[in-house]
Amino acid sequence: QKEVEQNSGPLSVPEGAIASLNCTYSDRGSQSFFWYRQYSGKSPELIMSIYSNGDKEDGRFTAQLNKASQYVSLLIRDSQPSDSATYLCAVNMSPGGFKTIFGAGTRLFVKA
Amino acid sequence: DTGVSQDPRHKITKRGQNVTFRCDPISEHNRLYWYRQTLGQGPEFLTYFQNEAQLEKSRLLSDRFSAERPKGSFSTLEIQRTEQGDSAMYLCASSENLRGGDRYGYTFGSGTRLTVV
Repeated sequence: QKEVEQNSGPLSVPEGAIASLNCTYSDRGSQSFFWYRQYSGKSPELIMSIYSNGDKEDGRFTAQLNKASQYVSLLIRDSQPSDSATYLCAVNMSPGGFKTIFGAGTRLFVKA
Repeated sequence: DTGVSQDPRHKITKRGQNVTFRCDPISEHNRLYWYRQTLGQGPEFLTYFQNEAQLEKSRLLSDRFSAERPKGSFSTLEIQRTEQGDSAMYLCASSENLRGGDRYGYTFGSGTRLTVV
């Protein structure tokens, strides 16, 4: 079992729709969770972090965490073509919590 | 502060040669990380430093890889006797040492793309 699993996609949504990206992780002791966006040929950039169960909203982005189910998701509302990228789910591994393990990423295409 | 800087941006080398990459983190960040990324995969953890101390190194890393962070500032990653399988993007990232600092995520550099021919 991989430590962080994501559907590779591609996920295709029309402009203005909600894109839903999902991630599961194996380390039940993990405390911090992140979503990074990576455009083709570029390095990852942090867009959201979450560490408490429930939802965390930042603009058009909402991260959701369910530690009991070991599940993290990212919702992108009013998707724009500029949101087309690979979205990486990342989890800080216990103990210590300073090493981040990344999933393979989900490719998102937003069609104009 | 211009963020995390990596040098060079691209490196083409012949199999068997040694290569060295440099990373300059954000100045107030005392944690520095090296990752490797191949096409279609997420970044793979290699090693990390807190100040000048190398606290963890991936079991996947062979003895041909070594990293240093003298004086807790910039870091270098050296690959000896390169192999074609070493071709990848090598990413450096840094983060702050805050209380609960593991919650703040990383700032990545632009990466060094290595091609071994």
